[in-house]
Amino acid sequence: DTEVTQTPKHLVMGMTNKKSLKCEQHMGHRAMYWYKQKAKKPPELMFVYSYEKLSINESVPSRFSPECPNSSLLNLHLHALQPEDSALYLCASSRPRGTANEKLFFGSGTQLSVL
Amino acid sequence: DAKTTQPNSMESNEEEPVHLPCNHSTISGTDYIHWYRQLPSQGPEYVIHGLTSNVNNRMASLAIAEDRKSSTLILHRATLRDAAVYYCILRNTGNQFYFGTGTSLTVIP
Repeated sequence: DTEVTQTPKHLVMGMTNKKSLKCEQHMGHRAMYWYKQKAKKPPELMFVYSYEKLSINESVPSRFSPECPNSSLLNLHLHALQPEDSALYLCASSRPRGTANEKLFFGSGTQLSVL
Repeated sequence: DAKTTQPNSMESNEEEPVHLPCNHSTISGTDYIHWYRQLPSQGPEYVIHGLTSNVNNRMASLAIAEDRKSSTLILHRATLRDAAVYYCILRNTGNQFYFGTGTSLTVIP
């Protein structure tokens, strides 16, 4: 199994809603990532979890709250978002640096629209 | 953090080789160079990576300059399925993968 599964594929939410994005992988990867991608722009790194602990937070606003409940799951909790937060949210996983197959595996993303 | 710069777009004729350049003049000695490509409505897909030496796999070749300040992704025979946005990325010791601006490759039949 070399897949990263993201749910839902599409999400529309109001600025007062609370929602969560989910990501799952069963490749035994101990690094997991959230990226944000606006249309026609490159993915921007948001968060990195390493061995289920948050290791990188790229100065992301607190209305985005990541969670890694176990080595296979990664969540992104959303609250009080703004319309400019509308984007494709990508999850990825990888093995440790320097090992074989250290590449990133990406899910197909959640397309988020904030109204 | 080290950044990469790439041309915005390139064109290639089908079945001809394509050389996609990337500049990373501020690369550190421990940064790995990765290349990914992204098709519309999909997540990025791994293509190849390397540290210092040139690398080959079934998809492509990666040529790394001796000073490591630039690299080139080589697609040996472009097909229509290779039309995508290609990203040059540096991976540092902290598990951080930073995407460059990307090159949109158009393959002409």
